[in-house]
Amino acid sequence: DAGITQSPRYKITETGRQVTLMCHQTWSHSYMFWYRQDLGHGLRLIYYSAAADITDKGEVPDGYVVSRSKTENFPLTLESATRSQTSVYFCASRPIGAHNEQFFGPGTRLTVL
Amino acid sequence: KQEVTQIPAALSVPEGENLVLNCSFTDSAIYNLQWFRQDPGKGLTSLLLIQSSQREQTSGRLNASLDKSSGRSTLYIAASQPGDSATYLCAVLTSNAGGTSYGKLTFGQGTILTVHP
Repeated sequence: DAGITQSPRYKITETGRQVTLMCHQTWSHSYMFWYRQDLGHGLRLIYYSAAADITDKGEVPDGYVVSRSKTENFPLTLESATRSQTSVYFCASRPIGAHNEQFFGPGTRLTVL
Repeated sequence: KQEVTQIPAALSVPEGENLVLNCSFTDSAIYNLQWFRQDPGKGLTSLLLIQSSQREQTSGRLNASLDKSSGRSTLYIAASQPGDSATYLCAVLTSNAGGTSYGKLTFGQGTILTVHP
């Protein structure tokens, strides 16, 4: 299917466990992003990537790791999950250039117990 | 630092009304402004994108305007319907610190719209 997909859609884990959230896009967009959405904070950028093997920190990168070995995939790993990382995570992508729409995936709801 | 504010935070209107959602931003050096819709438990759906050089964009019953110099945008929804009930987010794309073309999308907190029959 075309577009951005995220998996899993829902995840419950325990404090200290490693969790990986997957993001896949079929448009070959150069830019990909990870956001978290929390009540009272809105959407905050965690990490972004301009192309395969090029990643950079956003506003709230601590406790997260990303990689981008292929253009279409941009996994987000929580190395040791904490309760404060309970949130809804959104992946997004955008074509190269600053004048294009950004598109979002359906989100992953993560609960850390 | 770019800041985006949306007013009102919530709006409840009867079906059929025309309504306006407001968005303001502090740094006028933007590449574009994008309006999104978010239904409960869902992702963000792009509604309209206005380039920095444009004044407005239209899609069906939606019309978005942009006044870059004053740092304001409005989303006009004509003849509202219960299916329009959702959270509406505006976001502006500005240059990030390195001045690269990645840009940074800064979001407002959203306006929660309820259209009742």
